[in-house]
Order: sequence, then structure tokens, then C-alpha cells
Amino acid sequence: TQLLEQSPQFLSIQEGENLTVYCNSSSVFSSLQWYRQEPGEGPVLLVTVVTGGEVKKLKRLTFQFGDARKDSSLHITAAQPGDTGLYLCAGVSRYSGGGADGLTFGKGTHLIIQP
Amino acid sequence: GAGVSQSPRYKVAKRGQDVALRCDPISGHVSLFWYQQALGQGPEFLTYFQNEAQLDKSGLPSDRFFAERPEGSVSTLKIQRTQQEDSAVYLCASSLVTPPGETQYFGPGTRLLVL
Repeated sequence: TQLLEQSPQFLSIQEGENLTVYCNSSSVFSSLQWYRQEPGEGPVLLVTVVTGGEVKKLKRLTFQFGDARKDSSLHITAAQPGDTGLYLCAGVSRYSGGGADGLTFGKGTHLIIQP
Repeated sequence: GAGVSQSPRYKVAKRGQDVALRCDPISGHVSLFWYQQALGQGPEFLTYFQNEAQLDKSGLPSDRFFAERPEGSVSTLKIQRTQQEDSAVYLCASSLVTPPGETQYFGPGTRLLVL
């Protein structure tokens, strides 16, 4: 069973501060996705990282995929109250035999940005 | 450009009752996924359809859970003889192409509470 460990589980910081969320696994994934989920809604895809060592930027969010494709991080610069939400990482694996990709999600990081 | 819709949004059932949860994927999307998200946790994969074929049901927790997508569009997740541990948010996601690594679009979920 492939597991994704996210840390921290909860994070509450002041507006304007920087933060980093981590996603770690002992397994190799073909790619890794980051989602953001707000209360009462489904997760929304933020980014997919595919290549080991890859770095992607989305405005104030920076995503990095580890060289060995086992871990990833999300860094937010100058956090704003609108960044509040549940951030989920999800690993994508290639199954043999025609099965589903079966996204494997971490438990998520609950982020609160206080004004 | 309607997204994935799910109904009902909320369902309260007495233990032992059967429930049916509906998912309307984005029109033309080949793949459809069901996930279960317990309170404070990340989503967990239940089952996957490619058109009308259920290619992976490895995540269904017991034989009380049954899913179908008879015409390759709308899908129904049925839970028989509900138990309290079935209480969770049930998320449906669809994607345009087959996995792995495709973008999955999630619905808002059905929040099931079993009393």
C-alpha cells in the first residue's frame, strides 16, 4: 500500500508570513498533484509535477517534486486570508494490467491565514 | 460548462437503511471515480469506471457498497444496510481521458450521516 504523509497537519499563521507544506512517501510516483479543497466543495487541482526535481510556480505558490519522485513541497509566499483551505497532495502511479490510476491522497494540511 | 454535480448534497440515514448517491460527470468524460472522505482526512479511492465498464473496485470497503454506470454517463453509488462507519463525504470525479495522470474534476460531494 502506498502512503503519502503530509506535514504539518494543521497550520495557522498571520497574513504576510511564508509557509511550507511537505508531502513524503517511501514509494515512487510517476507524478504528484496538489489540490486545494474548501469546506463543502470537492478538491480543485492546483498543479501536477512530473519530473524529478521539477519546480512549478503559480503566483505566490511554488511546488517542487523531489529528485527521487517520492516527495514534494508547497511553499506559499506572503500568505493571504484567501489561501485558507485544505491542501492535499496526491500521488499518481502507473498500474499494470489496465487498472485505474487510483489517486493516493495524503491526509491534507489544514491551513488558516489570519488577517 | 457545467462541472461535476452530485445529489443529494446531504443525506441522513438510519442505520440499516439503503442509500443511493448520484453523480453526473462532465459531458463526454470517459473516466469516472468515486472517493470516500472521512472527516478531517484526505479522499480515499473507492472505484473507477471507464465508460460503462467498472475496471477497478479494489477500494470498496465491503460488499455492501455497489456502484454502476450503465450508460457510461451518470453513475450511482449504492450503500446497503448502512452503518455508522459509513458516515463520510462521498466524492465523484470525472476526467476526459483514461488514467494515469489525467486531470480529475471533482464534484462537491454528498455528505452522508448515518445515525
